[in-house]
Amino acid sequence: DGGITQSPKYLFRKEGQNVTLSCEQNLNHDAMYWYRQDPGQGLRLIYYSQIVNDFQKGDIAEGYSVSREKKESFPLTVTSAQKNPTAFYLCASRTTGVGTGELFFGEGSRLTVL
Amino acid sequence: AQSVAQPEDQVNVAEGNPLTVKCTYSVSGNPYLFWYVQYPNRGLQFLLKYITGDNLVKGSYGFEAEFNKSQTSFHLKKPSALVSDSALYFCAVRASNTGNQFYFGTGTSLTVIP
Repeated sequence: DGGITQSPKYLFRKEGQNVTLSCEQNLNHDAMYWYRQDPGQGLRLIYYSQIVNDFQKGDIAEGYSVSREKKESFPLTVTSAQKNPTAFYLCASRTTGVGTGELFFGEGSRLTVL
Repeated sequence: AQSVAQPEDQVNVAEGNPLTVKCTYSVSGNPYLFWYVQYPNRGLQFLLKYITGDNLVKGSYGFEAEFNKSQTSFHLKKPSALVSDSALYFCAVRASNTGNQFYFGTGTSLTVIP
């Protein structure tokens, strides 16, 4: 079945450690996105990528980094510079071809900093 | 600037009654509008979208939404609520002329009371 796979589902980190969240899609979508979700704040865009080897900062990119070496993969690294990293992280993708593709979401990764 | 407002954090409705979840938007250019549903600790699931054409859009699970350009609204509706409809609902907008970013509301928690 086609879809978006995020891993791990739950992750615990000590302060000062970098962690990488995985996002893989087999939908052949060009565009991929990372969002952060906090209670009562909706979804906030961290980074997005329209094509391989290119990505743009979203509204809250500070303390995060991404790479897009393959079309299927868009990993997110939460660095030690992110001051409040505890959150639910959502990866999404969409087609950028003709039409107006909606976002397809993964099941999310919940990061807790101890 | 693009933005979405969901004025109600919480909506309660009795099972079998009609439900409405409100959404208003601000966007430069023509809007593409979307509704998503989220169950606890899960990703967002696409319900429906408005791109162009008929102002009344029908989507998954019996949901529909009405686009009102003059009021810049895109309210989600269902004629008869089910207990299983209880979830968090997000409205999102993407501007047709800027393309890549989606802007989400802060979400409305719907509770259907048996």
